[in-house]
Amino acid sequence: KAGVTQTPRYLIKTRGQQVTLSCSPISGHRSVSWYQQTPGQGLQFLFEYFSETQRNKGNFPGRFSGRQFSNSRSEMNVSTLELGDSALYLCAASDGGEFAGELFFGEGSRLTVL
Amino acid sequence: AQRVTQPEKLLSVFKGAPVELKCNYSYSGSPELFWYVQYSRQRLQLLLRHISRESIKGFTADLNKGETSFHLKKPFAQEEDSAMYYCALTGSARTALIFGKGTTLSVSS
Repeated sequence: KAGVTQTPRYLIKTRGQQVTLSCSPISGHRSVSWYQQTPGQGLQFLFEYFSETQRNKGNFPGRFSGRQFSNSRSEMNVSTLELGDSALYLCAASDGGEFAGELFFGEGSRLTVL
Repeated sequence: AQRVTQPEKLLSVFKGAPVELKCNYSYSGSPELFWYVQYSRQRLQLLLRHISRESIKGFTADLNKGETSFHLKKPFAQEEDSAMYYCALTGSARTALIFGKGTTLSVSS
């Protein structure tokens, strides 16, 4: 199976800009989750989508949003970027059962905000 | 509050020594517990989950509800076990994982 693919892998933005990250899950995996990884806070759950619907959302401000398309691909958007948004953003896919189960992670998109 | 605590940032052992990576959790319900591992230059991946009660790469973990712990153990460490290990749980939001901050295991010869 091809793995979870995230694009872009690296990007640099300035404060106030917005960014869109993309995630293509493994074929047949209908659930996509997003996590933010920083040295200080570790891995934190952003949101999870299943069949184009957001099922769960973490404790992040409304500047963080996401969506899922009918082919299960997902995007997350961060508007009005702040320095503290610099992080590795990880996408994870699963078969979409009732519980998180086994997550298959992508390599991440590393965002630097200047 | 739902929380996962991994008290050690770094654990260094010699090859062949026993390993125990500690994980404590805080959750009032019945959680599902997991251990994820990230080897150098590889993706984060599932190592094991408590409901499967299996041994993966020689590692085992037992859920102790009384002590709210899910420690990861291996009797004889190998150099290839060197990696970052994350303990995680699903709490009230069953499709979200709450991760600990991770423990780096370093096995030297």
